[in-house]
Amino acid sequence: DSGVTQTPKHLITATGQRVTLRCSPRSGDLSVYWYQQSLDQGLQFLIQYYNGEERAKGNILERFSAQQFPDLHSELNLSSLELGDSALYFCASSHRETGELFFGEGSRLTVL
Amino acid sequence: GNSVTQMEGPVTLSEEAFLTINCTYTATGYPSLFWYVQYPGEGLQLLLKATKADDKGSNKGFEATYRKETTSFHLEKGSVQVSDSAVYFCALSPPRGSNYKLTFGKGTLLTVNP
Repeated sequence: DSGVTQTPKHLITATGQRVTLRCSPRSGDLSVYWYQQSLDQGLQFLIQYYNGEERAKGNILERFSAQQFPDLHSELNLSSLELGDSALYFCASSHRETGELFFGEGSRLTVL
Repeated sequence: GNSVTQMEGPVTLSEEAFLTINCTYTATGYPSLFWYVQYPGEGLQLLLKATKADDKGSNKGFEATYRKETTSFHLEKGSVQVSDSAVYFCALSPPRGSNYKLTFGKGTLLTVNP
């Protein structure tokens, strides 16, 4: 158990819909990262938050957005979903001193 | 930009065989290098890491040496077990002081048969 909690574990929805994925980092970790894992693209960095503020942005679509709340949990919002958005979405938090990333078990999104 | 290239799988071995998974990288400066492992149905776990040239990371019988001259970080294990079956990812992050944003390779699926 990494200490990073993601919900839901599985989600099935239809094209055009909107979903929210939730992540709770390890206790004491201030940074949260979101990654997308798909068969064709591999693991892609989406976005990072540090103590409530956006710190770095990767290959995140405009239809996607994220935020980190005062209690440090984070949400990834995916809207106008397309078939190609079907993937495993991972959240990770980083150790304050070593920077080591700890990953959650992921949220598997299926868009039909 | 930064990139990681690792050998494509899948790799299938018999128990007690020797394992090598090649990984090369492109980066500016001196990145930190990592191997992560993903067991079926689970998230990624850090397997080992090296933060400077000639460092050797090791864990659970796996080893990898940071080779700056060949920009490589190949993963090796002398005798694999069935329980090592998983997907292995090579990754790098910019030098300390950056955001620890990892760039991953595409992953290599290892299957170890009894």
